[in-house]
Amino acid sequence: GAGVSQSPSNKVTEKGKDVELRCDPISGHTALYWYRQSLGQGLEFLIYFQGNSAPDKSGLPSDRFSAERTGGSVSTLTIQRTQQEDSAVYLCASSWDRVTYEQYFGPGTRLTVT
Amino acid sequence: DAKTTQPPSMDCAEGRAANLPCNHSTISGNEYVYWYRQIHSQGPQYIIHGLKNNETNEMASLIITEDRKSSTLILPHATLRDTAVYYCIVRTNAGGTSYGKLTFGQGTILTVHP
Repeated sequence: GAGVSQSPSNKVTEKGKDVELRCDPISGHTALYWYRQSLGQGLEFLIYFQGNSAPDKSGLPSDRFSAERTGGSVSTLTIQRTQQEDSAVYLCASSWDRVTYEQYFGPGTRLTVT
Repeated sequence: DAKTTQPPSMDCAEGRAANLPCNHSTISGNEYVYWYRQIHSQGPQYIIHGLKNNETNEMASLIITEDRKSSTLILPHATLRDTAVYYCIVRTNAGGTSYGKLTFGQGTILTVHP
């Protein structure tokens, strides 16, 4: 079946612009996670959705970052007024529920802020 | 979640077993040991997990010491396609405020050579 998909695969934007990154989880997965992978920083958690609500936003680095999920499915991560330090690969993962052992990751969106 | 310690890099000859160690001396009773791997330019991929018993699946075996303070991931017949970063992660499956998020360390870069 279809896995987690993310779009765009690559995004180059100018400093100060807003960007939207999209995640399509596996159908039926109620839990959705966003992670970020920066050069030299490893993978870090950003936000968790259960259904359409986000009980854990503790990893969002600043108020320029926000995310929403609609219909218990697609999620959008928005970064406003992008900065060069936002350059990273943004990864989305989904699972059946929050305690399920297996999270399925998408291929990621590589964001470059110039 | 408990912290893990892994060697930064390891080498393995193709066809031989790759044994990747992980220390998690502060693991608590309800925490599982998970292994994920990340092949270059892809999202992380779940490999295996366990609580206290040894586990085996089609990808690998997981050996957990009796005191649960360390574990070893075994790839029985490594191939060139197993070259990746391998992450050992300790997390609870009991719900709670961790919400199932994965906390990645630096992992072990495994290089399988011909």
